[in-house]
Amino acid sequence: GAGVSQSPSNKVTEKGKDVELRCDPISGHTALYWYRQSLGQGLEFLIYFQGNSAPDKSGLPSDRFSAERTGGSVSTLTIQRTQQEDSAVYLCASSLAGTGLNYGYTFGSGTRLTVV
Amino acid sequence: AQRVTQPEKLLSVFKGAPVELKCNYSYSGSPELFWYVQYSRQRLQLLLRHISRESIKGFTADLNKGETSFHLKKPFAQEEDSAMYYCALLTRLDSNYQLIWGAGTKLIIKP
Repeated sequence: GAGVSQSPSNKVTEKGKDVELRCDPISGHTALYWYRQSLGQGLEFLIYFQGNSAPDKSGLPSDRFSAERTGGSVSTLTIQRTQQEDSAVYLCASSLAGTGLNYGYTFGSGTRLTVV
Repeated sequence: AQRVTQPEKLLSVFKGAPVELKCNYSYSGSPELFWYVQYSRQRLQLLLRHISRESIKGFTADLNKGETSFHLKKPFAQEEDSAMYYCALLTRLDSNYQLIWGAGTKLIIKP
């Protein structure tokens, strides 16, 4: 597509439920990133996919968080047994690989997750 | 260690006044730096890259390797400049390329 697409744009869920957040990157972008942005806070790195390489999961805050990227394109971030502290905006970004990063990341509009 | 520091969480200036958003970095390689902006209710977007030496919306940023800084400047602030600004550093480790982000500075332009 023309840009990075995230769905849903808003999600309200009950504490303890599982949620799935979807990211559809720009076609041809082999690198995909998930970030979390809490109210008034900066960007918290979660996970990074690059082509067929093993993902960098170093930012995932707990084992309740997982992500996968199928076919090198669409990615899903799953949060199991959601907690209120998971409430945040979850941002996805994609980029060209390697020196293509000279052009930076392109971000989606995010999914606002509210756990009640 | 690779690090990007934006020392001001909040910066408030009057319309028409000069603006300088500070960014310092720590990186052993050759730095490539970016400024991103997030306007209210809009997605985070690239503002400018140091390698293109561009001026976008009146903003400029000069890489100062001696001071390891990449401060964002605008001579006359506009109300529409109010936004969250992030400085980012491109890092490379083997084939792993990523942007390292500063904590962000919220810029408020007062009328």
